Amino acid sequence: GENVEQHPSTLSVQEGDSAVIKCTYSDSASNYFPWYKQELGKRPQLIIDIRSNVGEKKDQRIAVTLNKTAKHFSLHITETQPEDSAVYFCAASMGNSGGSNYKLTFGKGTLLTVNP
Amino acid sequence: ETGVTQSPTHLIKTRGQQVTLRCSSQSGHNTVSWYQQALGQGPQFIFQYYREEENGRGNFPPRFSGLQFPNYSSELNVNALELDDSALYLCACSLGGRQGYTFGSGTRLTVV
Repeated sequence: GENVEQHPSTLSVQEGDSAVIKCTYSDSASNYFPWYKQELGKRPQLIIDIRSNVGEKKDQRIAVTLNKTAKHFSLHITETQPEDSAVYFCAASMGNSGGSNYKLTFGKGTLLTVNP
Repeated sequence: ETGVTQSPTHLIKTRGQQVTLRCSSQSGHNTVSWYQQALGQGPQFIFQYYREEENGRGNFPPRFSGLQFPNYSSELNVNALELDDSALYLCACSLGGRQGYTFGSGTRLTVV
């Protein structure tokens, strides 16, 4: 089955700096790659996602890049703010033609701390 | 509000007991998945339902079972609870097709 590796496990940056979190996946059939932010005691919240027919996607300070050949994807947060402090999870999934998205396989998470 | 609601929010059970967790979503969320998230770990896929039928299962024993109802609500049942079942249980709903999943706020289950 699919295996998702996520690095680093912890990341500490100064406010205003950029943060990069990287993930690799094993199954070339995966075609959907979401990123979730989870604050302590709260639900995972989708912050950005990318599909395999796209190499990069950006939403304000957040961007995700995908390299299908190397089977890795990355989350980039620019101009970090203390409110960005949370655990970030990457995930991979295979959608099928029947219209139902298949399971998400998650990485182990990255604890991002943005210091004021 | 995300439109995905789970109940109860917290639950304490004794080893060997049975538990039912519930998830409700807005109309159109025809795909629901359940995940187990242990402390400090990423969510682990338990199973998924699409139009009331199970269409995928992770590495969880048969004592983990589920249902999806015509109104798109869903249940996760766990029999013969073990201490290691203590975790946050999340349901995730999707409109299917090319939409992403939205997670509920979870049920924190503690087995003592």
